[in-house]
Amino acid sequence: GAVVSQHPSWVICKSGTSVKIECRSLDFQATTMFWYRQFPKQSLMLMATSNEGSKATYEQGVEKDKFLINHASLTLSTLTVTSAHPEDSSFYICSALTGVNTDTQYFGPGTRLTVL
Amino acid sequence: GNSVTQMEGPVTLSEEAFLTINCTYTATGYPSLFWYVQYPGEGLQLLLKATKADDKGSNKGFEATYRKETTSFHLEKGSVQVSDSAVYFCALSDNFNKFYFGSGTKLNVKP
Repeated sequence: GAVVSQHPSWVICKSGTSVKIECRSLDFQATTMFWYRQFPKQSLMLMATSNEGSKATYEQGVEKDKFLINHASLTLSTLTVTSAHPEDSSFYICSALTGVNTDTQYFGPGTRLTVL
Repeated sequence: GNSVTQMEGPVTLSEEAFLTINCTYTATGYPSLFWYVQYPGEGLQLLLKATKADDKGSNKGFEATYRKETTSFHLEKGSVQVSDSAVYFCALSDNFNKFYFGSGTKLNVKP
């Protein structure tokens, strides 16, 4: 149980285009999902917390207009990188909480974004 | 504020050697503590967790004990295998379910 998927696993796009990454909880409902960014050989940086049916909460320094997050259902959250630039190239990972009274996050496999 | 510090890697061991990866934390309140493992090109997988002082988390031969007095959560395994080669992250979760990760420790196990 507690499986989180991400799609796509790998995407290459041209500079200036937008890219959407999906995060799905496959066997549970996730009221809260998180989006992280991981640079090579570094730890995870929390970008935002996504709650179903409400606006995402962004961490300090993360541009909310550039990284659009939508949590439209209890099993799906999307991250859209708008007007992508090469510096946005990174490994994006989502995670989800399995319930309200739990503190264990289950992570998706990640999406490798390369902006040319 | 909350933070996690773990030993820098890489750690290189021979198969069947004993493993310790140190992790210490700073936190307000009563955090839960976690170890996650990341294999190349993949996301993080929960390895083990502990939710209160003196709890021991264990899984797949790995174990870690929540030590409040030393604010530590060191990861240990008695006999590592080549398949254990990965990056290991120590993390804490605060009372608001926000995670704080250590910088990760890469483990290389040689046959």
